[in-house]
Amino acid sequence: AQSVTQPDIHITVSEGASLELRCNYSYGATPYLFWYVQSPGQGLQLLLKYFSGDTLVQGIKGFEAEFKRSQSSFNLRKPSVHWSDAAEYFCAVAGGGSNYKLTFGKGTLLTVNP
Amino acid sequence: NAGVTQTPKFRVLKTGQSMTLLCAQDMNHEYMYWYRQDPGMGLRLIHYSVGEGTTAKGEVPDGYNVSRLKKQNFLLGLESAAPSQTSVYFCASSPIGGKEGANVLTFGAGSRLTVL
Repeated sequence: AQSVTQPDIHITVSEGASLELRCNYSYGATPYLFWYVQSPGQGLQLLLKYFSGDTLVQGIKGFEAEFKRSQSSFNLRKPSVHWSDAAEYFCAVAGGGSNYKLTFGKGTLLTVNP
Repeated sequence: NAGVTQTPKFRVLKTGQSMTLLCAQDMNHEYMYWYRQDPGMGLRLIHYSVGEGTTAKGEVPDGYNVSRLKKQNFLLGLESAAPSQTSVYFCASSPIGGKEGANVLTFGAGSRLTVL
C-alpha cells in the first residue's frame, strides 16, 4: 500500500528566509506525487505535481519540488518565503493508471514570522 | 465556473441524528471523492466514485454511505451520527483517464460537522 510521511509537523521561518518541507513516500513503482496547500478555513489547492520526466518541477506561487527516487523523497522548496505562505502543506502520492486514489501525508503547518 | 461546491458549510448534530452532505461539481469530472480531515491525521478517504451509479469504499468508510445518482453530484450520508464523526469533510473531483488527469483533484471548501 502507498503511504506518505511528512516528518515535520510544524515549521517556523522568518519572512524572506528559504524553506524546505520534507516528504517521503512509499510505493512500489514510479509514483505520481503532489503538493497541496491549505490556507486556514479553506479547501486544498494544488501547488505542483510530478508524473514523469524532469525531476525538478515548478509550481505556483514560486514553489518547486524535486523528485529523488533513490531517497523516496519529494521535498518542497521556496527560496524566499512571504507572510502569505503561512498555511498547512500536504504531500500526496498516487499510483497512477487505475490506481488514481491519492494518499495524503499528515501535513506540515508553516508559520511565517515577520 | 464554480468548481466543486459543498453544502452545508457548517452543521451541528446530536448523537444518533442523520444527515446528508451534498457535493456538486460542474467540470464534468468522472471521479469524485469524500475525505475527512482531523487534526494531525491529514486527509483520509471515506468513499469514492469512478462514475455515475458507482461507489467504492476508501480508507475509513464505516458509519458513512454514499450515492452517485447523477454524474455531477456525490452525496455523503451519516445514518446515525456519532461524536467520532466530528470532522471537516472535503469533497473532491478529478477527470478521467490519462496520466495527467485522473489524479489531479479539485477540492471543495469543506463542510464542518460537529456531533454532540
